[in-house]
Amino acid sequence: NFMLTQPHSMSESPGKTVTISCTRSSGSIASNYVQWYQQRPGSAPTTVIYEDDQRPSGVPDRFSGSIDSSSNSASLTISGLKTEDEADYYCQSYDSSNVVFGGGTQLTVL
Amino acid sequence: EVQLMESGGGLVQPGGSLRLSCAASGFTFSSYEMNWVRQAPGKGLEWVSNIVGSGSNVYYADSVKGRFTISRDNAKNSLFLQMNSLRVEDTAVYYCARKATVATTTRRFAYWGQGTLVTVSS
Repeated sequence: NFMLTQPHSMSESPGKTVTISCTRSSGSIASNYVQWYQQRPGSAPTTVIYEDDQRPSGVPDRFSGSIDSSSNSASLTISGLKTEDEADYYCQSYDSSNVVFGGGTQLTVL
Repeated sequence: EVQLMESGGGLVQPGGSLRLSCAASGFTFSSYEMNWVRQAPGKGLEWVSNIVGSGSNVYYADSVKGRFTISRDNAKNSLFLQMNSLRVEDTAVYYCARKATVATTTRRFAYWGQGTLVTVSS
């Protein structure tokens, strides 16, 4: 089984841009799609990016996703940060028999 | 509107058993792969298990294999998780989550329940 590694926490100011990384431990990051979920305290996760770089309807275009095969990682970029973006963010991928979540990144916007 | 509602959580002693349920509505339940995902207090998300629409294939995380059993009743639009030999480290909010689409092989979760808390403690 592979693992997905994220930074434990990040902090940035309103209006700035932040990029959260998610590195796959084994196997190619491109072999299976990566999703990103946002979770606020006391709530279930919601999808902000799916299939590497797709945004669900209703998610602002300030959120974008990408993968980089050279570093075997995926990234979630949030531009024009707002205080409402403060939350935990999880990457997620899978293989034929498992689903794997990253450890989560606590984003502080202050 | 898709709705998922978990129930069955509570306090149980180590070594005990508990059965979680997830009532689904607003979609053709039998068509969708369903999952259980858990979150220990203050910790991250951990996938637990999934089951295909027909119930014929099931998968488990190594941490619960041999102790937990996932099942479904398509006639009653319900998903279950039978948890045996519970450990303190199984303490978590358990969410049921629906795979986003029927057609693709992408394993992503578009709909989640509100979760039910399982506490394993003596």
